[in-house]
Amino acid sequence: DQQVKQNSPSLSVQEGRISILNCDYTNSMFDYFLWYKKYPAEGPTFLISISSIKDKNEDGRFTVFLNKSAKHLSLHIVPSQPGDSAVYFCAASESNYQLIWGAGTKLIIKP
Amino acid sequence: DGGITQSPKYLFRKEGQNVTLSCEQNLNHDAMYWYRQDPGQGLRLIYYSQIVNDFQKGDIAEGYSVSREKKESFPLTVTSAQKNPTAFYLCASTARASTDTQYFGPGTRLTVL
Repeated sequence: DQQVKQNSPSLSVQEGRISILNCDYTNSMFDYFLWYKKYPAEGPTFLISISSIKDKNEDGRFTVFLNKSAKHLSLHIVPSQPGDSAVYFCAASESNYQLIWGAGTKLIIKP
Repeated sequence: DGGITQSPKYLFRKEGQNVTLSCEQNLNHDAMYWYRQDPGQGLRLIYYSQIVNDFQKGDIAEGYSVSREKKESFPLTVTSAQKNPTAFYLCASTARASTDTQYFGPGTRLTVL
């Protein structure tokens, strides 16, 4: 049973436009959420996180929105740049030592 | 520079052989983790260690073993009992709990011939 779901395996966005990556979860006990970016054959790198006490967190071009009632979070990238082309993973934690990961969404930024 | 190193980057193994993947960190982090990534799937936790000389099984520990004799090192052995070992293996560490940001190594691509 997948507790963290990223239903879009891939997403294609024009350079300069907004990229919106979505993530749904089923466990209402999750209290911390993270987004990671991964290039092929490299380890993921941390992008941005949000605690369940907030509904928005912004860092430069990246904003994460959390809707607890819908058990949904999204990552917005504005404006999208060619270097943003990567696989984006959503992960969630219930304040223990295990992060639960989504399957990832491949973002392709078109020039 | 502080960080996590994994070696080798690419590893080939004959079926039936054990192989050990190295993971070293100089971040002075207490907790270390091993994940496996397969195409179209999220990262799956194999083993994790919160402190030296202690480790716990993750979701897919069967066919794997680990040791944590030193804070800096958390090697993963892929045994011949692992039925489908070809994958990309990622090591990570956090200062303490999983709510801390996980720092990842560059990964090791293991291919069983």
